[in-house]
Amino acid sequence: GAVVSQHPSRVICKSGTSVKIECRSLDFQATTMFWYRQFPKQSLMLMATSNEGSKATYEQGVEKDKFLINHASLTLSTLTVTSAHPEDSSFYICSARDLGTGNNYGYTFGSGTRLTVV
Amino acid sequence: AQTVTQSQPEMSVQEAETVTLSCTYDTSESDYYLFWYKQPPSRQMILVIRQEAYKQQNATENRFSVNFQKAAKSFSLKISDSQLGDAAMYFCALMEYGNKLVFGAGTILRVKS
Repeated sequence: GAVVSQHPSRVICKSGTSVKIECRSLDFQATTMFWYRQFPKQSLMLMATSNEGSKATYEQGVEKDKFLINHASLTLSTLTVTSAHPEDSSFYICSARDLGTGNNYGYTFGSGTRLTVV
Repeated sequence: AQTVTQSQPEMSVQEAETVTLSCTYDTSESDYYLFWYKQPPSRQMILVIRQEAYKQQNATENRFSVNFQKAAKSFSLKISDSQLGDAAMYFCALMEYGNKLVFGAGTILRVKS
């Protein structure tokens, strides 16, 4: 089945630094990937839609200059949290749709990244 | 705008018993998809079951089944013969054709042995 690999699973960074999170589709091509943020015991909040070869589409209220998204290939999207602050500490999850195998309405999720900014 | 409502923040069930998680949604589309996802303590999102809106027959996956009421915009999940491994956060989600997923607030399911 479709597999999405997300790396790193945990990261601790100092306030003011940047951190990059990678999301890879391992056995399918993903023209579209999605980035979510999740606080403890809360739902997934869509941050942005990442489109291969074009600019990401950000949800209302999400700072595009803080959360940089790059989708340079059909199997890789990256989320960079720039100038991180403690309030950016959260769980970040990516997902992708596998359109090639008939599972054309299913989403596969990465295992998530726990970001802690100290 | 599409919305998904899960009115049960927490539910408990005895092992081997049956539990039903509620979900209502709102959409202006006639063609859409509904999902239930499970998020265990590992926080990996796992697809439990999905339903196409154009199908009248309720989806079933082993011990998991749904009660899809399109007119009422209701999509409940029934878990039969509950197991300890079913303990998790469950999210109901809606996808309009070609669009993004919208999630409900989630229901924490506790399974008692």
